[in-house]
Amino acid sequence: GAGVSQSPSNKVTEKGKDVELRCDPISGHTALYWYRQSLGQGLEFLIYFQGNSAPDKSGLPSDRFSAERTGGSVSTLTIQRTQQEDSAVYLCASSLSGGLGGANVLTFGAGSRLTVL
Amino acid sequence: GQQLNQSPQSMFIQEGEDVSMNCTSSSIFNTWLWYKQDPGEGPVLLIALYKAGELTSNGRLTAQFGITRKDSFLNISASIPSDVGIYFCAGHRDDKIIFGKGTRLHILP
Repeated sequence: GAGVSQSPSNKVTEKGKDVELRCDPISGHTALYWYRQSLGQGLEFLIYFQGNSAPDKSGLPSDRFSAERTGGSVSTLTIQRTQQEDSAVYLCASSLSGGLGGANVLTFGAGSRLTVL
Repeated sequence: GQQLNQSPQSMFIQEGEDVSMNCTSSSIFNTWLWYKQDPGEGPVLLIALYKAGELTSNGRLTAQFGITRKDSFLNISASIPSDVGIYFCAGHRDDKIIFGKGTRLHILP
């Protein structure tokens, strides 16, 4: 697509429920990133994909968080047994590649706002 | 872990004033990026810097990649109301792109 698409744009869930957030990157972009932005905070790195592989999962906050990417395109971030502290905006970004130079410039989606009651 | 220290956290200025913000790190980065985020949107790239010492302009924006590769600044000249938002610096090293906590720019009426 022309830009990075994320869905849902807003999600309200009850504590303990599982949620799935979807990211559809720009066509042809091999690198995909997930970040979390809590209210009034900066962007916290969660996970990075190069193709379908995740060479860096170091930012995932706990084992309740997981992500996958299939076909080198769409990615899903899953949060199991959600907690109130998971409430945040989850941003996805893609780039042409994960390498150096202009190819690594990130294009962001508008984010998925998650509220855990 | 790697951190970017971005300052100031927020700025309140009059329309027409110039703005300056910066990022520093204890680590070397290969690329510095500056993004702006409007409410309800994802960050949008303003300027990308690829070489130490590089000075790049984009309209009223000017950014520099520090010679030590551990810092960068962004200047905005003659601010206008649409400059309001959150500005993020980001450093790229290996496979990681690390963001600062942002500078919130407010323009007083």
